[in-house]
Amino acid sequence: QKEVEQDPGPLSVPEGAIVSLNCTYSNSAFQYFMWYRQYSRKGPELLMYTYSSGNKEDGRFTAQVDKSSKYISLFIRDSQPSDSATYLCAIGSNYQLIWGAGTKLIIKP
Amino acid sequence: DGGITQSPKYLFRKEGQNVTLSCEQNLNHDAMYWYRQDPGQGLRLIYYSQIVNDFQKGDIAEGYSVSREKKESFPLTVTSAQKNPTAFYLCASSRYRSPNQPQHFGDGTRLSIL
Repeated sequence: QKEVEQDPGPLSVPEGAIVSLNCTYSNSAFQYFMWYRQYSRKGPELLMYTYSSGNKEDGRFTAQVDKSSKYISLFIRDSQPSDSATYLCAIGSNYQLIWGAGTKLIIKP
Repeated sequence: DGGITQSPKYLFRKEGQNVTLSCEQNLNHDAMYWYRQDPGQGLRLIYYSQIVNDFQKGDIAEGYSVSREKKESFPLTVTSAQKNPTAFYLCASSRYRSPNQPQHFGDGTRLSIL
């Protein structure tokens, strides 16, 4: 079992839909949770960073962490074609950071 | 604007050849990293450096070498000992060396074998 699991997709949704992206992890010592967005042929850019259970909101993006289930989510509201990208989760402790393989998201106009 | 610059964008390697990938940052960050990205896999850490003249092996260091002579620069050499070098290579930096620090990335170098 991988330490961090992420469905590779692709996930295809119509413009304006709410998108839900998820990662699961196995190590309960992990306490830092990040979401990055990566456009094709570009480097990842940080979207959200949380270190506790619960929700964190930034504009159209909401990050949710459920430590009891070892499950994190990224929600995108009012999705736009410009949101089409690969979304990577990164989960870590004070000693290591493990990356998910990324979910490819396609927003259809 | 501050950021990380990687060059070249595309690179081709012949059999038995060493190639060097450049990474420069003007963010004044202490820590720098090299990752390898392959399809269907998460980012894998090759090397990291917390301070000038010091660097540590990551999870997949075999066949690679680095140097950190200046704070701004962290070049990666892919040696002939790396038998499967075809991948997308990403350089990143963070203010401090800690897995809980957000990392800033360059736009990568795609390396292929001729």
